[in-house]
Amino acid sequence: EAQVTQNPRYLITVTGKKLTVTCSQNMNHEYMSWYRQDPGLGLRQIYYSMNVEVTDKGDVPEGYKVSRKEKRNFPLILESPSPNQTSLYFCASTLTGQGSQPQHFGDGTRLSIL
Amino acid sequence: DQQVKQNSPSLSVQEGRISILNCDYTNSMFDYFLWYKKYPAEGPTFLISISSIKDKNEDGRFTVFLNKSAKHLSLHIVPSQPGDSAVYFCAASRPHNAGNMLTFGGGTRLMVKP
Repeated sequence: EAQVTQNPRYLITVTGKKLTVTCSQNMNHEYMSWYRQDPGLGLRQIYYSMNVEVTDKGDVPEGYKVSRKEKRNFPLILESPSPNQTSLYFCASTLTGQGSQPQHFGDGTRLSIL
Repeated sequence: DQQVKQNSPSLSVQEGRISILNCDYTNSMFDYFLWYKKYPAEGPTFLISISSIKDKNEDGRFTVFLNKSAKHLSLHIVPSQPGDSAVYFCAASRPHNAGNMLTFGGGTRLMVKP
C-alpha cells in the first residue's frame, strides 16, 4: 500500500530536549516536505526536499532542521524545542514536486513542548 | 500576511443541497490551486485541482471554479453527503527556487446534516 509513515504519532517533551520526527515514503517520490498545522493558520511549509541531498526552506523554517540522505526518508529535527513549536506536524511527498501534482500526506505527529 | 485565505471557518449544509467553499488569494505567481479534505486524526487527502490557465474543473460531485481577475476560487459539492463532513483546505502552488512551494488557507469545517 502506498503510504507516508510518520513516527511518533504523539510526543510530549520538555523545552531544550532534542527530538527527531521520522518520515518515510514507499512510493519512490523525489519530493518530500514538512508542514505544521496551527488553528486558523492552516498548514505552513517548514522545509522541502527536491531529491537526495537537496533541501530548501519553506515559509517557517526557524528552529527546525532536515536531512535527506536517502530518497525514502526525510526526518525533521528540533535541536532545542521551545513551547511555540507545539503543533501538529505533517510530512508529505509527491513524485517530482511539480505544482500540479497532489501531495500524499502522513497521518500527522502531535508535538507538545512543555 | 496570509497569501491564501478561507474567510469562513465553518459551513453547515443540509444533505442533498449544494456546498460552496470559498478561497481568496493575493499572490499572482500561484500557478496551480488544489483542494484537500481532512478528517480528524488523518492527514489531508487530495480532492481536486485547477491550473491558473483554466476557469473550471469538474470531477464527479466536485467542481472547482477559478476567477483569476478577482483572485478567488470556490469548491462546489453537489449533492452534499454526510460523509463530506470534514475540514477543507484550499492550497496554492508557486515556483520557488528549484522546486515548488504550497501555501494553504486556514481551512473551512463543513458539516452536512442528514
